[in-house]
Amino acid sequence: KNEVEQSPQNLTAQEGEFITINCSYSVGISALHWLQQHPGGGIVSLFMLSSGKKKHGRLIATINIQEKHSSLHITASHPRDSAVYICAVLQGAQKLVFGQGTRLTINP
Amino acid sequence: EPEVTQTPSHQVTQMGQEVILRCVPISNHLYFYWYRQILGQKVEFLVSFYNNEISEKSEIFDDRFSVERPDGSNFTLKIRSTKLEDSAMYFCASSAQGAMRYEQFFGPGTRLTVL
Repeated sequence: KNEVEQSPQNLTAQEGEFITINCSYSVGISALHWLQQHPGGGIVSLFMLSSGKKKHGRLIATINIQEKHSSLHITASHPRDSAVYICAVLQGAQKLVFGQGTRLTINP
Repeated sequence: EPEVTQTPSHQVTQMGQEVILRCVPISNHLYFYWYRQILGQKVEFLVSFYNNEISEKSEIFDDRFSVERPDGSNFTLKIRSTKLEDSAMYFCASSAQGAMRYEQFFGPGTRLTVL
């Protein structure tokens, strides 16, 4: 069983739709990262959170420590949001354990 | 804005050869990491490094792998006797000290192809 599970694996939506990507984990964590990976392969950190909720522009990330669950929301989605979104949990202070990623495609 | 850089962006080598992947972490960061991503698979932890020594390593990081901080700015991953299965994207990351060490910043990656 994977320690970090994301759903859905693939998501296609129309421009403007509200997007939700879910992440569940089964291990104790120090923090949780949401990352974005574009087709070229580079990884960009979107959020790091250990409790509650964070917002940056049209992106919102929430985490429920008791339920071991986090969500990433995108409001007013745009084709440029198309990418792979990755949930990764920090075990201890140093080791990130990654989910398999959610491939998001936003059609105009 | 400070960023992690990696060179080369793409490295092609013959099986059995040695490769060195280079990273320049963010200048005031003290924790350094290597991760890899085989094509189509998830990102995997390789090793973490602090105070000039390995803090933690995964099963992937066998005795063919080594890391070094040869000077005040570079952080390198060396792979000896490369195998076909070493072909992957390798990401370097770094983090600051104190509470900020939980947030890791990633480089753009080096794509290693072993022929």
